[in-house]
Amino acid sequence: DSGVTQTPKHLITATGQRVTLRCSPRSGDLSVYWYQQSLDQGLQFLIQYYNGEERAKGNILERFSAQQFPDLHSELNLSSLELGDSALYFCASSVKGNYGYTFGSGTRLTVV
Amino acid sequence: LAKTTQPISMDSYEGQEVNITCSHNNIATNDYITWYQQFPSQGPRFIIQGYKTKVTNEVASLFIPADRKSSTLSLPRVSLSDTAVYYCLEVKTGANNLFFGTGTRLTVIP
Repeated sequence: DSGVTQTPKHLITATGQRVTLRCSPRSGDLSVYWYQQSLDQGLQFLIQYYNGEERAKGNILERFSAQQFPDLHSELNLSSLELGDSALYFCASSVKGNYGYTFGSGTRLTVV
Repeated sequence: LAKTTQPISMDSYEGQEVNITCSHNNIATNDYITWYQQFPSQGPRFIIQGYKTKVTNEVASLFIPADRKSSTLSLPRVSLSDTAVYYCLEVKTGANNLFFGTGTRLTVIP
């Protein structure tokens, strides 16, 4: 157990739908990062939050959004889902952008 | 554009020492070199980090020459459970994200 909790572990949904992925960071970590991993794209950085504020954006689609709540947990919202959104979505946390990122075990999203 | 270059795959027999080398042709002065390990369907796991010379922990050793243009991750006496993808990264302290390249897929053979 890495200390970073992601739910759900698996999600199957239809095209056009909207889903929410949840992440609870390791205790004491203020930064949360979201990554997408698909077979053909590898690990892609999506977005970072630090203590509730957005700090950096990567290759995140406009259909996707995220937020970090006062208790530091984060949610990644994916809408108007397409088949190509099927991937593993990882959340990671760190104390303050230091190198020691801790990753969760991911949410496997399948869009059918 | 990938910042680092590493072999796509490697095979090794159980009990052997494995060395995975990464090229850092454009590494910045304030970048650290960090290695992560990823098992199938799991998130990457931090293995080791260094700036220069040699760093060793309970899992691996990291060798970085003086010019810092390359790094070598050394795994002593690998076992089947070391089969994974290994990523080398260049990381600035306080960086807002980690850039993962394609990694090296290590397969340990019985």
